[in-house]
Amino acid sequence: DTAVSQTPKYLVTQMGNDKSIKCEQNLGHDTMYWYKQDSKKFLKIMFSYNNKELIINETVPNRFSPKSPDKAHLNLHINSLELGDSAVYFCASSHFIGATEKLFFGSGTQLSVL
Amino acid sequence: EDQVTQSPEALRLQEGESSSLNCSYTVSGLRGLFWYRQDPGKGPEFLFTLYSAGEEKEKERLKATLTKKESFLHITAPKPEDSATYLCAVQAASNTGKLIFGQGTTLQVKP
Repeated sequence: DTAVSQTPKYLVTQMGNDKSIKCEQNLGHDTMYWYKQDSKKFLKIMFSYNNKELIINETVPNRFSPKSPDKAHLNLHINSLELGDSAVYFCASSHFIGATEKLFFGSGTQLSVL
Repeated sequence: EDQVTQSPEALRLQEGESSSLNCSYTVSGLRGLFWYRQDPGKGPEFLFTLYSAGEEKEKERLKATLTKKESFLHITAPKPEDSATYLCAVQAASNTGKLIFGQGTTLQVKP
């Protein structure tokens, strides 16, 4: 039983294309996140949603649009992909926002833009 | 600006050779400091949360400590299965829900 699952694991695409990454958690958590990990291993928060409501939006280009149909799902759609978007994208969840809750991460989606 | 710096970037140890990883931070009001372990091709896995200076937590061969400016992850008599990247992160009191990560220390333990 995977707690936080994201698909696909690998995504290779051409510049200018639009792609989506899906994430689901079966932990019953209220809060979900998208993090980006660059080639130097830096993990940086992009978005967080609490019970389907956007809480954190970290100066991410508006080509990135998260969507949360329910509190168990948080998808990431990326328009007009650029070379610099190549990275590993991690979905995560926590019980709720507002406390020092540990995050549960998915296994990541490695995005390569050619 | 809130910031986390980890050192060294990479560390090679022989099995049984104890050492420490450093995490220096500047944050406007620390809410919590976290240690995560990340294996290649996987997401980070939670290890510890520390809340205040002087606090220590242990798990098997790992022990995390916290001061007002830094945290250490001590690894005692490491085994090859301890090889991974160890990530440190802080949560500021003013930025609920947002973790600021360091770049990690990649540990390799040779048998």
